Amino acid sequence: GAVVSQHPSWVICKSGTSVKIECRSLDFQATTMFWYRQFPKQSLMLMATSNEGSKATYEQGVEKDKFLINHASLTLSTLTVTSAHPEDSSFYICSATLAGGPRTDTQYFGPGTRLTVL
Amino acid sequence: AQTVTQSQPEMSVQEAETVTLSCTYDTSESDYYLFWYKQPPSRQMILVIRQEAYKQQNATENRFSVNFQKAAKSFSLKISDSQLGDAAMYFCAYRGMNRDDKIIFGKGTRLHILP
Repeated sequence: GAVVSQHPSWVICKSGTSVKIECRSLDFQATTMFWYRQFPKQSLMLMATSNEGSKATYEQGVEKDKFLINHASLTLSTLTVTSAHPEDSSFYICSATLAGGPRTDTQYFGPGTRLTVL
Repeated sequence: AQTVTQSQPEMSVQEAETVTLSCTYDTSESDYYLFWYKQPPSRQMILVIRQEAYKQQNATENRFSVNFQKAAKSFSLKISDSQLGDAAMYFCAYRGMNRDDKIIFGKGTRLHILP
């Protein structure tokens, strides 16, 4: 149980284009979804927190107009990297917490999406 | 602000041996959650073990156990009978009790298993 999927697993795009990454909770409803960015050999850096039906809360230094987050349902959140540039190349990971039950404190992670911007 | 410190960037252990990964944290809260996550080469984050701070009993999951010292704010992970599949980056993490609290990760410890 508590499986989170991400699509695509990897994507290559040209500079200036937009890329959408999907995060789905497959077997549970998610109260909250989180988006992280991870650079090589580093820890996860939280980008934003999203709750279903409301605007995402972005961490300091994260451009909300560049990284658009939509949390349309209790099982789906999307991250759109707009006008991508090579410096946006990274590994993006989403996670979700359960809506209800004894483990609402635990985050379950997706497998990540590797974005390469040429 | 809460912080999580993992002082060992890398560690190695012989297969079948036992290894302990260190983690300390800082918080002024009395109730919170602590986690160890594993990130193998596939980069999928996997929950290894979870500890509720108000529980004195140390959490265990098969070969994985923790030594939770609340007063010392220490939360070490012991892996017994190490296996090649245990090779990964291990992250210690802290989370408060409030619904909107974020997880705070340490910088990680890379564990190598020597055959």
